[in-house]
Amino acid sequence: GAVVSQHPSWVICKSGTSVKIECRSLDFQATTMFWYRQFPKQSLMLMATSNEGSKATYEQGVEKDKFLINHASLTLSTLTVTSAHPEDSSFYICSARDTGYSNQPQHFGDGTRLSIL
Amino acid sequence: DQQVKQNSPSLSVQEGRISILNCDYTNSMFDYFLWYKKYPAEGPTFLISISSIKDKNEDGRFTVFLNKSAKHLSLHIVPSQPGDSAVYFCAASEYTSGSRLTFGEGTQLTVNP
Repeated sequence: GAVVSQHPSWVICKSGTSVKIECRSLDFQATTMFWYRQFPKQSLMLMATSNEGSKATYEQGVEKDKFLINHASLTLSTLTVTSAHPEDSSFYICSARDTGYSNQPQHFGDGTRLSIL
Repeated sequence: DQQVKQNSPSLSVQEGRISILNCDYTNSMFDYFLWYKKYPAEGPTFLISISSIKDKNEDGRFTVFLNKSAKHLSLHIVPSQPGDSAVYFCAASEYTSGSRLTFGEGTQLTVNP
């Protein structure tokens, strides 16, 4: 089945550091990928929609200069948390849907646990 | 504004019995609904979906029911197994949204042996 790989799975870093998270679709092409954030015991909240070859679409309240998204190929999207602070600590998850099959559900990566000290 | 709601944060059932997880939504434009299962520190895994043109979809032990007039859907798991213990998320999207999913808060299901 469809597989989405997310890397790294866990990051601990100092405040002020920028952190890049990769999301890859391993056996399918994804024109669109999605980035979510989940705080403990809360729902997954969509942060942005990543579009291959064009600018990402951010949800209301999400700072695009803080969370840089690049979707340079049909199998890779990256999320960079710039100048991360403790309040950015969260579980970040990406998802992707096979471009060739409009009725397929989104498949998720295993997430990245980001801890900012 | 929580457009998808799962009002039960937790549910506990005995092995072999039926598990019923509920989900309500407010956006009448939603036309595609999904259930995902999630273990700690992992991404959600797709379970089953239903389009708004149907009222029931079945896949093995999992059945999803959709009541459009009540804006309510439910996931039935029969028989429940201890391995089903996880957090279950209901999600919804509308065709024109380009597959953007709106998630409920999740329900922690515990199946006791």
